[in-house]
Amino acid sequence: NAGVTQTPKFRILKIGQSMTLQCAQDMNHNYMYWYRQDPGMGLKLIYYSVGAGITDKGEVPNGYNVSRSTTEDFPLRLELAAPSQTSVYFCASSYSLVQPQHFGDGTRLSIL
Amino acid sequence: GQQVMQIPQYQHVQEGEDFTTYCNSSTTLSNIQWYKQRPGGHPVFLIQLVKSGEVKKQKRLTFQFGEAKKNSSLHITATQTTDVGTYFCAGQRMNRDDKIIFGKGTRLHILP
Repeated sequence: NAGVTQTPKFRILKIGQSMTLQCAQDMNHNYMYWYRQDPGMGLKLIYYSVGAGITDKGEVPNGYNVSRSTTEDFPLRLELAAPSQTSVYFCASSYSLVQPQHFGDGTRLSIL
Repeated sequence: GQQVMQIPQYQHVQEGEDFTTYCNSSTTLSNIQWYKQRPGGHPVFLIQLVKSGEVKKQKRLTFQFGEAKKNSSLHITATQTTDVGTYFCAGQRMNRDDKIIFGKGTRLHILP
């Protein structure tokens, strides 16, 4: 039982490049979330999903896109990378909105 | 919108001293969760409080939910170096089918 798996763990991008951060969970959780955490700061919700085919914006969605074609996977897409998107990205999942969230190890992304 | 405020933002304590972090909401919460994030790690769920006035203990950690369900606290007795990290509270609004909101966290540093 791997829990929440994020890939890659580290990535450096050039300004204007695009990439997809992968997130997969094997706990059959309906709810999945993407957060970003800037150095020394708290968690900001980017997007979340309450089930396959359903996604919704969080606090800071601009510059990102998500999809949820299966229960297990919730990829996060950066289309035109900007330096302001340098951050650590965490994916999380939960059985329901009131149940605890399980976090992945994070993806450390630098945009230069 | 709903905010979950945490204080203090930072705390330095001598090893062996006690530590408390406080979480306050502008609205009544249906439940509150606490997470710990070690430096370089990901948030890990500690506990969930649901009932008004609820108190729960985990070894040296004591968690409390206020009578009005608008505030919560985490108290650590006789801190150890293993307590270093950032402690987040996360609350869900009462009577709303809504995602939980994370506070900005309290970063605890232990002086040996």
